[in-house]
Amino acid sequence: EAQVTQNPRYLITVTGKKLTVTCSQNMNHEYMSWYRQDPGLGLRQIYYSMNVEVTDKGDVPEGYKVSRKEKRNFPLILESPSPNQTSLYFCASRPLLLAGETQYFGPGTRLLVL
Amino acid sequence: GDSVTQMEGPVTLSEEAFLTINCTYTATGYPSLFWYVQYPGEGLQLLLKATKADDKGSNKGFEATYRKETTSFHLEKGSVQVSDSAVYFCALNENTGNQFYFGTGTSLTVIP
Repeated sequence: EAQVTQNPRYLITVTGKKLTVTCSQNMNHEYMSWYRQDPGLGLRQIYYSMNVEVTDKGDVPEGYKVSRKEKRNFPLILESPSPNQTSLYFCASRPLLLAGETQYFGPGTRLLVL
Repeated sequence: GDSVTQMEGPVTLSEEAFLTINCTYTATGYPSLFWYVQYPGEGLQLLLKATKADDKGSNKGFEATYRKETTSFHLEKGSVQVSDSAVYFCALNENTGNQFYFGTGTSLTVIP
């Protein structure tokens, strides 16, 4: 089944404790992206990647890191999480670097930073 | 920069009522426009899209027309069902294809 998977789905952590949220897609997509969803703000793009070893900042990259060492994986790293990073995170992928192609979203990771 | 402005919610309708959710955008160039739907506890799913002016996207009884002159992409459905209860997001993809911009989402509840 074609899908985007994220792990963990739920995470509670404390301020400053490094964490990684994994994202994997089995559709051989070049483009992958991370978003955070907050009430009243919709989805905001954190980072995106157009291919292996190619990443770029979205609108809200501060406090996050990403890497793209393999085509199928695009982990999101929070080196020192803070409470303002409490949010719902979505990973997405799509097949072509062309406008007009939709993205395919993972199920989401709900993060609470205490 | 590019942005999407979406009608504030929440919206509550009775079954079989007509639905309109307004969406306007600001973009340089010629973006592609999307409507996504998010059911409780799930990720976003594509509902419909339009890639150029005057295109009409449609799916599951929902429609939206890409209006360049009014920079709008309003979502409509003639007769909503309880199963349409969800959050709806308008989005644009700028013409280089790299970044997506989303509206704030509109929560729809349909009551029997």
